[in-house]
Amino acid sequence: SAVISQKPSRDICQRGTSLTIQCQVDSQVTMMFWYRQQPGQSLTLIATANQGSEATYESGFVIDKFPISRPNLTFSTLTVSNMSPEDSSIYLCSVQRALEYNEQFFGPGTRLTVL
Amino acid sequence: DQQVKQNSPSLSVQEGRISILNCDYTNSMFDYFLWYKKYPAEGPTFLISISSIKDKNEDGRFTVFLNKSAKHLSLHIVPSQPGDSAVYFCAASVTGNTGKLIFGQGTTLQVKP
Repeated sequence: SAVISQKPSRDICQRGTSLTIQCQVDSQVTMMFWYRQQPGQSLTLIATANQGSEATYESGFVIDKFPISRPNLTFSTLTVSNMSPEDSSIYLCSVQRALEYNEQFFGPGTRLTVL
Repeated sequence: DQQVKQNSPSLSVQEGRISILNCDYTNSMFDYFLWYKKYPAEGPTFLISISSIKDKNEDGRFTVFLNKSAKHLSLHIVPSQPGDSAVYFCAASVTGNTGKLIFGQGTTLQVKP
């Protein structure tokens, strides 16, 4: 498995502001993903971060709200834009070595509270 | 549309006994299933997985069983230890598709000393 770090680990933000979350992996991986876990809920995929091209968003998530960057095979960022209290969640990045490998490994998560 | 369901929100067992966590799915395209354990304030940790070509996979104290006809899988932990107390998520995917994992709602396991 890979060692995955996320920054920040937690933050408290004001409504209307934006927060960028970083995800760093200790080895090159083909696939990186961003998930959200709302309070008391399961994990929901936001998007697949594609290296060198635009992210692929799941239904209900849009680029204007959750812009994603993936400049190389070890790093990605997720921005939560124009935040509202409903965005209070744990945001998690995960990695998968390649499409033919099914196991995903998760970072420690970023706990976001929006006031 | 909840494609992966864990119908038991919580489970309590005595240390040393067997813990059985259940998961049902509806999408017959799923061909790979995973179990994750999550402690508070941490990300999910991969535990064990199973491909649809198998009906059982074992790793130490953890065994996953898959019943494709019933679209049901279960995770057995034996013997259970207090350190196993956590939230357990099952997840399903379609190999070689997009890599997307569909998660169940989770089951909170409490192992009492």
